[in-house]
Amino acid sequence: EVQLVESGGGWIQPGRSLRLSCAASGFTFDDYAIHWVRQAPGKGLEWVAGISRNSVSIGYADSVKGRFTISRDNAKNSLYLEIDSLRTEDTALYYCAKGVGTYYDSKGPMDVWGRGTTVSVSS
Amino acid sequence: DIQMTQSPSSLSASVGDRVIVTCRASQSIANYLNWYQQKPGKAPKLLIYYASTLPSGVPSRFSGSGSGTDFSLTISSLQPEDFATYHCQQTYSAPYTFGQGTKLEIK
Repeated sequence: EVQLVESGGGWIQPGRSLRLSCAASGFTFDDYAIHWVRQAPGKGLEWVAGISRNSVSIGYADSVKGRFTISRDNAKNSLYLEIDSLRTEDTALYYCAKGVGTYYDSKGPMDVWGRGTTVSVSS
Repeated sequence: DIQMTQSPSSLSASVGDRVIVTCRASQSIANYLNWYQQKPGKAPKLLIYYASTLPSGVPSRFSGSGSGTDFSLTISSLQPEDFATYHCQQTYSAPYTFGQGTKLEIK
């Protein structure tokens, strides 16, 4: 079964850092781009970042550029999102989602999603 | 960034109804438009990609159309399991923006 499982979320104070993880199984992880998408409480979906199969190509939403770092370890079938200088507006459910192509900007959809990990930023 | 505008934001309908949700892009995105279905407490599920292609397993009562800037999702005969929120997304150009979502509720 193709599966993505996120972890690492929790309650955290503004200004701190956090690292989210996404463990993949059931498919050849290093064949595909992977993305992070978040959903603030009661809001729509927001694409956050994407990374190509070999990490050569990476992109970020303007709202997180400079504070978020996406990375992957193909040997561990894992995706990561490092979030620095957390803000209250980063409070959201963070999903990892598999792309259908090898590059994050290959124009394809996201065909497999994890169940998400919740990040709550407050003092 | 490309802005995606969905309408309506919410919709009440009955089982058996035909429902149409529209999505408009702020510039041409060719056919790089995807639709996702999200049920409460669940992850989004890919429903339609490249404007009109259904992934394996998606019922044929769902269909998509459009190109350029205007797109639509049609459910030909609503079933109880279709009550959910529907999101459009453009993957023509990063950042890959989503519409604000359309919540489909039971009348």
